[in-house]
Amino acid sequence: QVKLQESGPGLVKPSQTLSLTCTVSGASISGGDYYWSWIRRPPGKGLEWIGYIYYSGSTYYNPSLRSRTTISVDTSRNEFSLKLSSVTAADTAVYFCAGEMYDYKIQYSYGMDVWGQGTTVTVSS
Amino acid sequence: QSVLTQPPSVSGAPGQRVTISCTGSSSNIGAGLDVHWYQQLPGTAPKLLIYGNDYRPSGVPDRFSGSKFGTSASLAITGLQAEDEADYYCQSYDSSLSGSRVFGGGTKLTVL
Repeated sequence: QVKLQESGPGLVKPSQTLSLTCTVSGASISGGDYYWSWIRRPPGKGLEWIGYIYYSGSTYYNPSLRSRTTISVDTSRNEFSLKLSSVTAADTAVYFCAGEMYDYKIQYSYGMDVWGQGTTVTVSS
Repeated sequence: QSVLTQPPSVSGAPGQRVTISCTGSSSNIGAGLDVHWYQQLPGTAPKLLIYGNDYRPSGVPDRFSGSKFGTSASLAITGLQAEDEADYYCQSYDSSLSGSRVFGGGTKLTVL
């Protein structure tokens, strides 16, 4: 059973960098079965996809956040991380990490079927 | 403004059938790209409800079903139960933003 757990500071000051880590258990990131994503939900709003990373290190980011986003992977620790720079109050949200199972042989996604419980990040001085 | 449009809210009485629509465009749903649906109960993480337009992961009751036609997709819930009260999101991909995942704005389902 694959499990994900987010960790990181719950409070970040404006203009600083938000840093979160997602630890994966029950599956190896190096296995290549998943795209690993970060998603957030601001208060009173819906889900927003931030970006993904594959075990090889290839990434893709939401164009609206691309200039401030970096997602990296540490296969030795079986975890992936998010950095969001120059944060403002608009970046206050619950942040989730998720795994999207993908079969490269048939180019097919089974959706984001594993999620972390989410971690609340507040941007405030 | 989300790339995929959902009604902000729907409601129904216990036992009834409700549908939630997800309207996209020729660069996402209309381009033949798959739609997935998620249920988010209050205070919890989203849960995959439907993948690949109309497939249910194991453990999801058959009261939930998905469909897709043209540039739109729908989630249907039959035999509505109080525990179905949640936020529901569609998710697809956008060919104009190669590789980008996109979510609908979400629909709040209220069980009367």
